[in-house]
Amino acid sequence: EAQVTQNPRYLITVTGKKLTVTCSQNMNHEYMSWYRQDPGLGLRQIYYSMNVEVTDKGDVPEGYKVSRKEKRNFPLILESPSPNQTSLYFCASSYRGGGYTFGSGTRLTVV
Amino acid sequence: EDQVTQSPEALRLQEGESSSLNCSYTVSGLRGLFWYRQDPGKGPEFLFTLYSAGEEKEKERLKATLTKKESFLHITAPKPEDSATYLCAVQPVSSNTGKLIFGQGTTLQVKP
Repeated sequence: EAQVTQNPRYLITVTGKKLTVTCSQNMNHEYMSWYRQDPGLGLRQIYYSMNVEVTDKGDVPEGYKVSRKEKRNFPLILESPSPNQTSLYFCASSYRGGGYTFGSGTRLTVV
Repeated sequence: EDQVTQSPEALRLQEGESSSLNCSYTVSGLRGLFWYRQDPGKGPEFLFTLYSAGEEKEKERLKATLTKKESFLHITAPKPEDSATYLCAVQPVSSNTGKLIFGQGTTLQVKP
């Protein structure tokens, strides 16, 4: 089944403890992207990647890092999480920037 | 500044009562406009891509149209299972093709 897989689905962590949210797609898509979704603010793009080793900032990149060493994987790294990064995170992939396929989401709480 | 505004924020319809959702956008140039459906607790599901003014796309009870300043998602004779949040997103010409700007969404409730 064609899909984008994120892990974990739920995560509670403490301020300052580094964490990684994994994202993998099995559709051989070139484009991958990370979003956060917050009430009243909608979906906002954090980072995106147009191919292996090619990444660019979205609208809210501060406090996040990404890497694209393989085509199928696009992990999101929070080096020092803070409470304002508590949010619902989505990874997505697409063929050449067309309609994106989204993962099921990761609900992150930073206390 | 590139911007996407959706209206209304929320819409309640009776089953069978047709209506339209609006997506207004302000971009220096439009590479593409996308419609998504999002159910509670799930990731958005891709519906349509529109590229140029005058273009229309249809899927079951949904029809998306595009002008130079806005897009409409027309829902004909909706059913309760059409209840969801509908999201509009634009891809500006001025940015890399990976960039996507979303509106806040319209939450549709269809009552039987």
